[in-house]
Amino acid sequence: DAGITQSPRHKVTETGTPVTLRCHQTENHRYMYWYRQDPGHGLRLIHYSYGVKDTDKGEVSDGYSVSRSKTEDFLLTLESATSSQTSVYFCAISGEKGAGGDLPTEAFFGQGTRLTVV
Amino acid sequence: DAKTTQPPSMDCAEGRAANLPCNHSTISGNEYVYWYRQIHSQGPQYIIHGLKNNETNEMASLIITEDRKSSTLILPHATLRDTAVYYCIVRPHTGTASKLTFGTGTRLQVTL
Repeated sequence: DAGITQSPRHKVTETGTPVTLRCHQTENHRYMYWYRQDPGHGLRLIHYSYGVKDTDKGEVSDGYSVSRSKTEDFLLTLESATSSQTSVYFCAISGEKGAGGDLPTEAFFGQGTRLTVV
Repeated sequence: DAKTTQPPSMDCAEGRAANLPCNHSTISGNEYVYWYRQIHSQGPQYIIHGLKNNETNEMASLIITEDRKSSTLILPHATLRDTAVYYCIVRPHTGTASKLTFGTGTRLQVTL
């Protein structure tokens, strides 16, 4: 398995509290992604990072912020959790290959974090 | 980003080939076609990818049409363990554009 770890794996929190999910990689890959998955919606991209301190929004970024202060860690923060953010969150990593580093590699996914906001 | 269109569900008998289609008519020249699958509630798993040539690995084959507007993932001898949701993704080139966006995929049910 690719070296990617999500923590925590399960969390129950109350509405209005801040929550931070961590994605840690040991592959030194450039790209990191956060997704959420809800029934009937498949995987939806929240935020992604293309390098240290370089991040961009995905399709469902409202209510979420991210930080990447070092290559191996990508943090997802819910500033004030709401019940609509109850979901399974997946982190993914991918790198580059080729002489110019311009060929994308496949992405590897973590095992997911099940977050319940009550 | 180029969008993909897949049938919501397909059935396949065990031991037969499963052919999963994907339409990506707005794909641009430097975008790759990727396939992933997700078994139950696990994290998605990479299967195969290609740019314009057909590709084969130990899991599957990928056939990309000459105009690159569609592709087919082939599982040559489907087993019950291949029951999963299969995602076809078009991925932009690297750099700031290299995000990975999933659609709703095709739910493949392999039956006895």
